[in-house]
Amino acid sequence: LAKTTQPISMDSYEGQEVNITCSHNNIATNDYITWYQQFPSQGPRFIIQGYKTKVTNEVASLFIPADRKSSTLSLPRVSLSDTAVYYCLVGDTGRRALTFGSGTRLQVQP
Amino acid sequence: NAGVMQNPRHLVRRRGQEARLRCSPMKGHSHVYWYRQLPEEGLKFMVYLQKENIIDESGMPKERFSAEFPKEGPSILRIQQVVRGDSAAYFCASSPPSQGAMSGANVLTFGAGSRLTVL
Repeated sequence: LAKTTQPISMDSYEGQEVNITCSHNNIATNDYITWYQQFPSQGPRFIIQGYKTKVTNEVASLFIPADRKSSTLSLPRVSLSDTAVYYCLVGDTGRRALTFGSGTRLQVQP
Repeated sequence: NAGVMQNPRHLVRRRGQEARLRCSPMKGHSHVYWYRQLPEEGLKFMVYLQKENIIDESGMPKERFSAEFPKEGPSILRIQQVVRGDSAAYFCASSPPSQGAMSGANVLTFGAGSRLTVL
């Protein structure tokens, strides 16, 4: 399985754009990139998934360069409620369950 | 449509007792996953099951831990002879049947977790 590397923590202020980058140098051809968000004492929640280029939904954007060895989750205009841990996962349909890394702990301040 | 339901939410056991954690997947989901999370740490994969079949149990400790997903009823994670180190949050997730390669990786829907405390 492709191993992922993310920053351990990030700090931001309300209203700023936050970009969290994940490295996955040995991503396989059939692998997709998926991001989850976890609040304290809750289960992770799906944010966004992509394969290449750019994906955008109502919550975030995901940028994936052509070589797919990294990806960047972009959160526009964060608020205090975006304070959470963000996990980047790489995996393929039907293969063994996705393995979570240590995640990035985002702290948003007023 | 109820999400992934886990119970109990909190469970306290004394060393040597058994803990049983239950997980009912979302309607229409046939895959169940169990993860363990220690305080301030990430989620560790334990086991991946389909109905009546264990697909991947590479994350399960060799002893005392077992999981099942019967044809009828919830998936159960069973921990025998619990020790203090078993204290953690145990999360269950489910996903729909795979649609085939290149149709997207499994998107997991998680339950709220079961918090086990071993005294």
